[in-house]
Amino acid sequence: SYVLTQPPSVSVAPGKTATITCGGNNIGSKTVHWYQQKPGQAPMLVIYFDSDRPSGIPERFSGSNSGNTATLTISRVEAADEADYSCQVWDSSSDHVVFGGGTKLTVL
Amino acid sequence: QLQLQESGPGLVKPSETLSLTCTVSGGSISSSSYYWGWVRQPPGKGLEWIGTIYYSGSTYYNPSLKSRLTISVDTSKNQFSLKLSSVTAADTAVYYCARKGNWFDPWGQGTLVTVSS
Repeated sequence: SYVLTQPPSVSVAPGKTATITCGGNNIGSKTVHWYQQKPGQAPMLVIYFDSDRPSGIPERFSGSNSGNTATLTISRVEAADEADYSCQVWDSSSDHVVFGGGTKLTVL
Repeated sequence: QLQLQESGPGLVKPSETLSLTCTVSGGSISSSSYYWGWVRQPPGKGLEWIGTIYYSGSTYYNPSLKSRLTISVDTSKNQFSLKLSSVTAADTAVYYCARKGNWFDPWGQGTLVTVSS
């Protein structure tokens, strides 16, 4: 089965750039979606189709996907960005949805 | 706007069946553009896809749960449901329902189901 690998944690100072990776075999051939989840809340879509932002998501959030790694980048990080971030793909070979294990973003 | 709400028992005994319903409001579950899905999150852990259903009844299940899982849809009530049999403590989690196109959005608020005697 297809596996997505994320770092368990990422730390960044306010105002700096946070980079969260999502690794998978030839993930660049798939479309990746990213979710933000704050404590006690449901996940919220922040990036779809690798790099598109839903309405209401700040331009500070961006995404890319190539080769074996997809990346969520958060520029000018704010305290409110502290949350868990999870990547998700659809594995067409099995018709299954796959989530990464999630990355906890800590704003120092 | 579209809203989803999970409902069902918050406590289930080991070996029994976990049953949850997701009620969709603000839109039709019979939309040809979307599937409907269940995702769970054990305490302190990541998201796990459970399964997905189309309004016609077509289903896709997580292979690790398939032998115990049934997802169904009731278009007359604008609801879809989850049944997971022979539960153990490992099935304790927050269970979310969500609309699924290529991605999941929106999500219900989630409901905590604890498996314990």
